[in-house]
Amino acid sequence: DIQMTQSPSSVSASVGDRVTITCRASQDISSWLAWYQQKPGKAPKLLTYPASSLQSGVPSRFSGSGSGTYFTLTISSLQPEDFATYYCQQANNFPLTFGGGTKVEI
Amino acid sequence: QVQLQESGPGLVKPSQTLSLTCTVSGGSISSGDYYWSWLRQPPGKGLEWIGCIFDSGNTYYSPSLRSRATISVDTSKNQFSLKLNSVAAADTAVYYCARNLVVGSNWFGPWGQGTLVTVSS
Repeated sequence: DIQMTQSPSSVSASVGDRVTITCRASQDISSWLAWYQQKPGKAPKLLTYPASSLQSGVPSRFSGSGSGTYFTLTISSLQPEDFATYYCQQANNFPLTFGGGTKVEI
Repeated sequence: QVQLQESGPGLVKPSQTLSLTCTVSGGSISSGDYYWSWLRQPPGKGLEWIGCIFDSGNTYYSPSLRSRATISVDTSKNQFSLKLNSVAAADTAVYYCARNLVVGSNWFGPWGQGTLVTVSS
């Protein structure tokens, strides 16, 4: 299985801040990585795929980058609705695996 | 657009079998080469992919659950199902069904809202 490691596990930030979340894969997954946002009591919502393509309807302040084993999700200017937990997921092969999550909080 | 809805018992006794169904609306479960997945999330923890079933009937499972999980599809009802046997407290989680966003992709677009299953006597 490919192990996905996210950091940090939580980050405190303010509205308007630039926030960067890191995801590392245990082996090369090329660009096959997706990012999700999850709010309490809700299903995850796809943000970017693979690694840098923005899902329809997702604000342009979100951006994903990286390849190989190192990836980042950046929120350029944090908005109140962005406080949530973010997960990376490798989409290279089965079994599909997720990072442990990063909680973005005030 | 395609919508998914999980259903099933919210409480299962230890050692018994957890059975959930995902009903697909807004599209046929047998159209195209999508695959249909089950995932879960223990309270306060991260996401875990359980497995999936393709339109062809082929299935893939997480190695950690392969021995206990079975995913099947009922095209006549536009549903797919999960059975997880010999459950324990560690199987308590919100269970989600989902579909890959586009054919050939391994990232999830439509998700169900999730259903909490508690394993307790």
